[in-house]
Amino acid sequence: NAGVTQTPKFRILKIGQSMTLQCTQDMNHNYMYWYRQDPGMGLKLIYYSVGAGITDKGEVPNGYNVSRSTTEDFPLRLELAAPSQTSVYFCASKRVVGAKTQYFGPGTRLLVL
Amino acid sequence: DQQVKQNSPSLSVQEGRISILNCDYTNSMFDYFLWYKKYPAEGPTFLISISSIKDKNEDGRFTVFLNKSAKHLSLHIVPSQPGDSAVYFCAASLSRLTFGEGTQLTVNP
Repeated sequence: NAGVTQTPKFRILKIGQSMTLQCTQDMNHNYMYWYRQDPGMGLKLIYYSVGAGITDKGEVPNGYNVSRSTTEDFPLRLELAAPSQTSVYFCASKRVVGAKTQYFGPGTRLLVL
Repeated sequence: DQQVKQNSPSLSVQEGRISILNCDYTNSMFDYFLWYKKYPAEGPTFLISISSIKDKNEDGRFTVFLNKSAKHLSLHIVPSQPGDSAVYFCAASLSRLTFGEGTQLTVNP
């Protein structure tokens, strides 16, 4: 099992550009999450999904969109990149509602200039 | 409102000694607590957890202690090894995980 994979590893965007961060898991997990981590801060939840077709906002959803058309994939869309979105983005998954442990991907480092 | 706080941004210890990482929380409804370890350029990996109904959980060199009355948990690593050098995040669970800011642990040979 590859676990949770994320692409790209690193990207530089200009202000106003858009991009999609990809996340795929091969563990057949129902729950998937997107977090961002800023320097000296903990991970903040952006969006999450409890299954294909179901998504919901987390703590910091503004400026982002998500979709979940399959169990495996949970892409995160930035429509109009802003410098405040410079961060490291982590995707995570967990198996079922009662499970507590989330499994994380390696992260995507995004720089918006 | 920072519900989970790790007040020490960094900790340095000698190899073989004990490392103690601390975490405080404010929400008494949290029912589960986890510690994650993160190396540079990698995602966080699960280390150890504890249910709110327990006060101690041990796994090899790692022990987590929970003091519910003080709303405080700690992670003890004994003996510390250079490979333990990483950022450690505590997280508290209700319906979702709430993370602390992380503590950078450096274990010196």
